[in-house]
Amino acid sequence: SAVISQKPSRDICQRGTSLTIQCQVDSQVTMMFWYRQQPGQSLTLIATANQGSEATYESGFVIDKFPISRPNLTFSTLTVSNMSPEDSSIYLCSAQTDSYEQYFGPGTRLTVT
Amino acid sequence: AQSVTQPDIHITVSEGASLELRCNYSYGATPYLFWYVQSPGQGLQLLLKYFSGDTLVQGIKGFEAEFKRSQSSFNLRKPSVHWSDAAEYFCAAGPNAGNMLTFGGGTRLMVKP
Repeated sequence: SAVISQKPSRDICQRGTSLTIQCQVDSQVTMMFWYRQQPGQSLTLIATANQGSEATYESGFVIDKFPISRPNLTFSTLTVSNMSPEDSSIYLCSAQTDSYEQYFGPGTRLTVT
Repeated sequence: AQSVTQPDIHITVSEGASLELRCNYSYGATPYLFWYVQSPGQGLQLLLKYFSGDTLVQGIKGFEAEFKRSQSSFNLRKPSVHWSDAAEYFCAAGPNAGNMLTFGGGTRLMVKP
């Protein structure tokens, strides 16, 4: 298994600002992902965080809005840029182990006012 | 397009009763299948997975799931529900190992005393 921590756990931000969310895994993993869970909704994949290269974004998500870094095999960040109230969501980081199980962090609850 | 469907948005069962949560998938080939549970304010916890082999898989917390290729289903079951099982349950699928997951819409389970 993998234990994943995220910081911050929650934040309230003003419109137009940016927030960077950190994700730390307790072991080296090949694959890391970022998901969004809007209030009362299911999870939607934002992007795959690739170590040492640009992230792979899903349809509807762009790098300028959600820049992602992954400097090593245990750490990744997601920035939510130029925020609007529509960005209010829970953002979850996940990591896939060598046994192809995907584990999730506790999430970052973001409220944009 | 690949998709995962959970037909039941809400389910209420009495404590001690049996439970079955439905999940159907639409993929070109047999996907990798997962069930997760999300308690209020918490991240997602992996209950069980199916990759291949025995179509009845056992998970944590007394849960099991059965893969039925002919019905494109992967239903989650528990013989006797406990009040602590009240949570949101998500079925997820990936096209193969090492890939991101597509999530169903979730089923909210409520347990009556």
